[in-house]
Amino acid sequence: NAGVTQTPKFRILKIGQSMTLQCTQDMNHNYMYWYRQDPGMGLKLIYYSVGAGITDKGEVPNGYNVSRSTTEDFPLRLELAAPSQTSVYFCASSSADRRAFFGQGTRLTVV
Amino acid sequence: KNEVEQSPQNLTAQEGEFITINCSYSVGISALHWLQQHPGGGIVSLFMLSSGKKKHGRLIATINIQEKHSSLHITASHPRDSAVYICAVLYNFNKFYFGSGTKLNVKP
Repeated sequence: NAGVTQTPKFRILKIGQSMTLQCTQDMNHNYMYWYRQDPGMGLKLIYYSVGAGITDKGEVPNGYNVSRSTTEDFPLRLELAAPSQTSVYFCASSSADRRAFFGQGTRLTVV
Repeated sequence: KNEVEQSPQNLTAQEGEFITINCSYSVGISALHWLQQHPGGGIVSLFMLSSGKKKHGRLIATINIQEKHSSLHITASHPRDSAVYICAVLYNFNKFYFGSGTKLNVKP
């Protein structure tokens, strides 16, 4: 039972580069989320999805894009990396009974 | 917007002590989660509450819906309990808002 799987675990990007953070879940959850965690701050919602084909912006969406072509996958795209996007990123999913499951996180550094 | 306040931000305890972490939120919620995050690690949900009280081993979580307040208690604390504990509220069934976390250090 894999739960929520995120890749990569670590990444260093140069300013202006792009990358995709992968997230997949095997629990058939409709709700999926991307959060960023900055030191001393609570997790902030970047984007979320309530089902395949449906995505919506969270609190801090600027500089990011998402897609949800399948129930299982919810990739997060950074098009032009900036130092302000240095953070730890968490993907999560939740079940209909409101339980929450988190990936192991991706530590991203933009230099 | 739902604000989530946690206290204390940092907590140091001696092994065996009883620990309480508090969480307050500002609007009605669908559920509240207590999460645990070990250094450099992922996030694990310890409890999900929508009312009353839950117990799992040495951990107890309570919620008072009327007062918009929840507490996480750890009885007989142990160094392996050292972690960041995060309160997260589920708003409108599809959005989570998070407290900034309580960093707990339990000394042997």
